[in-house]
Amino acid sequence: GIQVEQSPPDLILQEGANSTLRCNFSDSVNNLQWFHQNPWGQLINLFYIPSGTKQNGRLSATTVATERYSLLYISSSQTTDSGVYFCAARRYSGGGADGLTFGKGTHLIIQP
Amino acid sequence: NAGVTQTPKFRILKIGQSMTLQCAQDMNHNYMYWYRQDPGMGLKLIYYSVGAGITDKGEVPNGYNVSRSTTEDFPLRLELAAPSQTSVYFCASRPVNTEAFFGQGTRLTVV
Repeated sequence: GIQVEQSPPDLILQEGANSTLRCNFSDSVNNLQWFHQNPWGQLINLFYIPSGTKQNGRLSATTVATERYSLLYISSSQTTDSGVYFCAARRYSGGGADGLTFGKGTHLIIQP
Repeated sequence: NAGVTQTPKFRILKIGQSMTLQCAQDMNHNYMYWYRQDPGMGLKLIYYSVGAGITDKGEVPNGYNVSRSTTEDFPLRLELAAPSQTSVYFCASRPVNTEAFFGQGTRLTVV
């Protein structure tokens, strides 16, 4: 199956700083999503982005499908951005399990 | 729309007991999934369904069973609970060719 690797594993920043989280995947994908898992354990959809660039407020994401990576940008970080950010990819070509494969996540701590 | 609803939110089981985790979605999605998340890890796929009456195994299916009698419901059954099944369980659903949406999770402890 597809492999998903995220970096860095941990990131500590001061409030107001910018950050870039990276996701590498091992094969072409039908689906790529970014999630934020908040301190209460909820998984919040950030982006559905199998290719291209999207922006939502202070967050943006870019997926370069031909080079098999995706980037999540967080600008002007706030303490509420703290949590774990997951990248998950899906490749389904008629065989094997259909579902998202998750990376291990980037644990982000924003300090006031 | 309520989205994806999981019950219960928390449960403690004794070794050898059985239970069913409930998952319901009201978005008329064909695809539904069960994942588990162990501490400090990403989610792993247990079982999935591409429509009513159709289920298939994911990466970690041992010790679990599922059924899909309706589009809305996708229960996960644990038989003979073991400490290794202590985890947070997430249900998800999606329509064709777009993003998946997750429930709030069920935190299960087996003692």
